[in-house]
Amino acid sequence: QSVLTQPPSASGTPGQRVTISCSGSSSNIGTNTVNWYQQFPGTAPKLLIYSNNERPSGVPDRFSGSKSGTSASLAISGLQSEDEADYYCAAWDDSLNGLWVFGGGTKLTVL
Amino acid sequence: QVQLQQSGPGLVKPSETLSLTCTVSGGSIGSYYWSWIRQPPGKGLEWIGYIYSSGTTSYNPSLKSRVTISVDTSKSQFSLKLNSVTAADTAVYYCATGRRFDPWGQGTLVTVSS
Repeated sequence: QSVLTQPPSASGTPGQRVTISCSGSSSNIGTNTVNWYQQFPGTAPKLLIYSNNERPSGVPDRFSGSKSGTSASLAISGLQSEDEADYYCAAWDDSLNGLWVFGGGTKLTVL
Repeated sequence: QVQLQQSGPGLVKPSETLSLTCTVSGGSIGSYYWSWIRQPPGKGLEWIGYIYSSGTTSYNPSLKSRVTISVDTSKSQFSLKLNSVTAADTAVYYCATGRRFDPWGQGTLVTVSS
C-alpha cells in the first residue's frame, strides 16, 4: 500500500491530452513539492517533473505538472506512442522523522 | 554531468547481508544527497534512505533497523548494506542523486535465495 495514491492505469489515443493524479496528505504533498518520474520496462526511472511543475532540461513541454492542496497531477498533451510507460509521483513526507514516499505508479497505454 | 555506476552481487542468501556500491563520476560527490531506492519485481518504488556527503543519514523507518548507508568521498562512492535479508528483499536496487533523484544508476537486480 503506497502512501501516495495513483490510478493503476491510464490510456489515451495519439494527440490526446491525458492526466494522471497523485493524492497524498498534509504531511507530504500538502507541505512539500512533488516530483514525477517516467519509467520504461527494464530501465531506471527518469526525472520528468520536479518542484511540482518544473521540467528538467530535455523534457518536452508536452509534459506539465500541477499541485493543489494535497493532490498533484501530471498532464501529457499531444500524446505520442513513445509516452507509453509507467509514471510515478514522489514527495517528502514530514512524518516519522521524514522519509520520501512514492505513488504506486500508473501504467500509461497509448491506444 | 553526473553519472552513477552500480556494482555488487546479484544473489544473496537468506539471513545474509546485501551489499551494493554506487560510484559517482562526472561530478563531485560533495554537497549532494545520495539515495538508495528499490523496486520489487512488478511493483512500485520504495525509498530506502539517503546519505549526505558529510555523512548525515536518513532511513526509511520500515527498514531502519537493518540498513546502513555509508560514503567514501576519496573513492567517490557510496554504499548500501541491508542485513538479515529475506525473499521479501528481492528487488531491483537503484542509487540516485540529490533531492530530485536525478540521475539514477542503472539498477541491480538482487535475488535473495539459497
